[in-house]
Amino acid sequence: GAVVSQHPSRVICKSGTSVKIECRSLDFQATTMFWYRQFPKKSLMLMATSNEGSKATYEQGVEKDKFLINHASLTLSTLTVTSAHPEDSSFYICSASSQGGRETQYFGPGTRLLVL
Amino acid sequence: KQEVTQIPAALSVPEGENLVLNCSFTDSAIYNLQWFRQDPGKGLTSLLLIQSSQREQTSGRLNASLDKSSGRSTLYIAASQPGDSATYLCAVVNQAGTALIFGKGTTLSVSS
Repeated sequence: GAVVSQHPSRVICKSGTSVKIECRSLDFQATTMFWYRQFPKKSLMLMATSNEGSKATYEQGVEKDKFLINHASLTLSTLTVTSAHPEDSSFYICSASSQGGRETQYFGPGTRLLVL
Repeated sequence: KQEVTQIPAALSVPEGENLVLNCSFTDSAIYNLQWFRQDPGKGLTSLLLIQSSQREQTSGRLNASLDKSSGRSTLYIAASQPGDSATYLCAVVNQAGTALIFGKGTTLSVSS
């Protein structure tokens, strides 16, 4: 089956630093990748949708300058949390689709970010 | 705005019981509905996908139904096992969109 990996799985950083999270589709070409954020006991909230080679589309309320998304190849998307603050601490999950996202999305294992 | 609600939020059952998880959505104009499983601190595993034109899908001990007109879906788990313990998430894709809109999930605990 389709496999999506994320790296790192956990990261702890100091307030004010930037953190990059990678999402890779290992055995298929992901034309579309999605980034979600999940708070404890809350549902996943879509942050942005990225298509390979295009600028990401951000959901309302998500700061594009704070959450930089790059989807430079069909197997890799990155999310950079710039100038991280404690309120950015969360569980970040990516998903990938070879069909634009309306059919099956394959999810990564998630990245736990803790900002001190 | 589409909203997805899952009831109950948590459920504890003894091993062997059959159980039903409920999902409702406010806008019936959906493209598909999916059920996922999430283990603590982990990503999501897709369980079943039901297209808007379908009424149900089955996979092993799992059966998901869809009543689009009433905005409801149920996930039926037969003969539950401790290994079924996880959070089950329901999500829809709107007709006009591509993004998954998730409910908050039902956390299931199956005791042996």
